[in-house]
Parts: sequence; structure tokens; C-alpha cells
Amino acid sequence: DVKVTQSSRYLVKRTGEKVFLECVQDMDHENMFWYRQDPGLGLRLIYFSYDVKMKEKGDIPEGYSVSREKKERFSLILESASTNQTSMYLCASSLRGHFMYEQYFGPGTRLTVT
Amino acid sequence: KNQVEQSPQSLIILEGKNCTLQCNYTVSPFSNLRWYKQDTGRGPVSLTIMTFSENTKSNGRYTATLDADTKQSSLHITASQLSDSASYICVVSAHGSGNTGKLIFGQGTTLQVKP
Repeated sequence: DVKVTQSSRYLVKRTGEKVFLECVQDMDHENMFWYRQDPGLGLRLIYFSYDVKMKEKGDIPEGYSVSREKKERFSLILESASTNQTSMYLCASSLRGHFMYEQYFGPGTRLTVT
Repeated sequence: KNQVEQSPQSLIILEGKNCTLQCNYTVSPFSNLRWYKQDTGRGPVSLTIMTFSENTKSNGRYTATLDADTKQSSLHITASQLSDSASYICVVSAHGSGNTGKLIFGQGTTLQVKP
């Protein structure tokens, strides 16, 4: 079974803090993704990576950066957290050619910025 | 513009009853269509994935259909159980140039099954 794990289920941070969200997958997938999910807006792609040290902007990259130093690990960084980044963050992974293959999601991190 | 629209937005049914969720899309060029189930506070879990040539696909009590001509899909749940209470998300994959592509997510249908 594919397993995608995220470092925290719940996180509370203050405005202006630097926040790191970690994601690890154990299936040797090439592609990894970060989404945020908000009521009424569905899932929106922040960034994705198709290989180590490679990254591509998604639909809403502003205010975020990512890091992929190892194939199994993909980190989302909020350089200076703001209240409008309060959201559910979901990590996913898939084989290369993600639009053809299944995406496997982690359990999510609910981030609250106060 | 690539879009995926789901209906209804929410639905309440009694345990044991059947229900059908709808997904209409305007995505081109089409690659595949997926249905995910998302329990509250959890990540989405795949139910089915269908390509252009597939009309129907089942996963236990879940049956998805695809009409590529009318660009419609439905997810039918048979003999509902309390554990079916969740959000159901329709996702359509668009083929890009080369080996690229994009996923377009619907906003989901929230299903509540009552005893």
C-alpha cells in the first residue's frame, strides 16, 4: 500500500512565523504535490515536484516555497505566515505522468495562523 | 476554460438507500476522470479512475459511469452505510503537451447518511 505521511495533523502558528510542513512517501514516486483545501473552493495546487530539486508552480504559489532534497520528501514552507494561509494542507504523490496515474494523498495538516 | 461542476452540493439520505452524485466537466483534451472519497479531516482516497474508453467502473458498492460524449459522470452508491458519510470529489485530468497534464478538481458533494 502506498503511504503518504505528513508531519503534523494540527498546527497553530502566529502571524509572521516561518512554517515548515513535511511530507514523506514510501512508494518511490517521482511526483509530489502540495494542495490547500478551503470550503467552497475545493483543492488548489500550490506547487509540485517531478524530481529531486525540481519544482513547478501550481495555481496559487504566492506566499509559499518548497524544497525537495530527497525523492521521498517534499516540504512546503510558509516564509511569513499570514491569517489568510489558515487552511487544510494536503500532500500527494504519484508516478511520473501524474495526469495519467493515481494520486495518493496524505492525511492532511490543518494549519491555523493567529 | 477547464471546469468541473458537481451536483448536488450536499445530500442527506437514510441508511440502506441508494444515491447518485453527478459530475459535469468541460475539460479538453480529456485524459481520465477520477472519483475520490474524503472523510472529514482526512485526505482524499481514490474510488475509481476511468479513461475515455471506459463507460463504467465499480469498486464494491460504488459504481462510476462516464459518458464522454455528453461530458458527464455519475457515482452511484448502493445500499448506503453510515460510513459512506463523506465528501465525494470528481477530478478530471487534462492532457498537456508532451508528458504534461493538469488535474481539475470539482468542489465536491457532501453526503450524510442518517440511521
